Amino acid sequence: EVQLVESGGGLVKPGGSLRLSCAASGYTFSSAWMSWVRQAPGKGLEWVGRIKTKTDGGAADYAAPVKGRFTISRDDSKDTVYLQMNSLKIEDTAVYYCTREWYYCMDVWGKGTTVTVSS
Amino acid sequence: DIVMTQTPLSSPVTLGQPASISCRSSQSLVHSNGNTYLSWLQQRPGQPPRLLIYKISNRFSGVPDRFSGSGAGTDFTLKISRVEAEDVGVYYCMQATQFPYTFGQGTKLEIK
Repeated sequence: EVQLVESGGGLVKPGGSLRLSCAASGYTFSSAWMSWVRQAPGKGLEWVGRIKTKTDGGAADYAAPVKGRFTISRDDSKDTVYLQMNSLKIEDTAVYYCTREWYYCMDVWGKGTTVTVSS
Repeated sequence: DIVMTQTPLSSPVTLGQPASISCRSSQSLVHSNGNTYLSWLQQRPGQPPRLLIYKISNRFSGVPDRFSGSGAGTDFTLKISRVEAEDVGVYYCMQATQFPYTFGQGTKLEIK
């Protein structure tokens, strides 16, 4: 079964840092582009960023609100993608979903991990 | 950024009746490679989103055939032929033709 499991969420003060992890299983992780999508409480979905496969260059792209603060990386030996979040703001409070990107759509989603930024 | 506008934002539907959700993009979603990367996702209460339709009209694996997608360019539609109780939730359109990927605001489908 294809599965994505996020971890690492929690409560952090404004200006703090957090690293989210997403462990993949059930497919060849190294062959898939991976994205992060977030959902603020009671709000809609917002794309955060994505990382390509190493075969495709391994580059990461980001949405404007997080560019320069968030970094996506991957460790294909561990079938894991990471979201390093620095300089966190209150508006970063959200459920963060890890997704597999398949032909420019998100075909597999994790259950999400909650990040709360509050003093 | 491409703005995705969904209508209606809320849709009360009678069980067994059809439902339709519209999604309009601020720019054409036709990619330079000729494909149109418009997908539809369903988010049931308390659940993560789930892919229903990709590239306008292709049903994803396991999606019931009462769901269908159509459209072209900037105007797209998701239709449910006969609404069932398990269809309650929020539906999002999403474009991946141009960075950044963007979602519609969501349409809440509820039973009358």
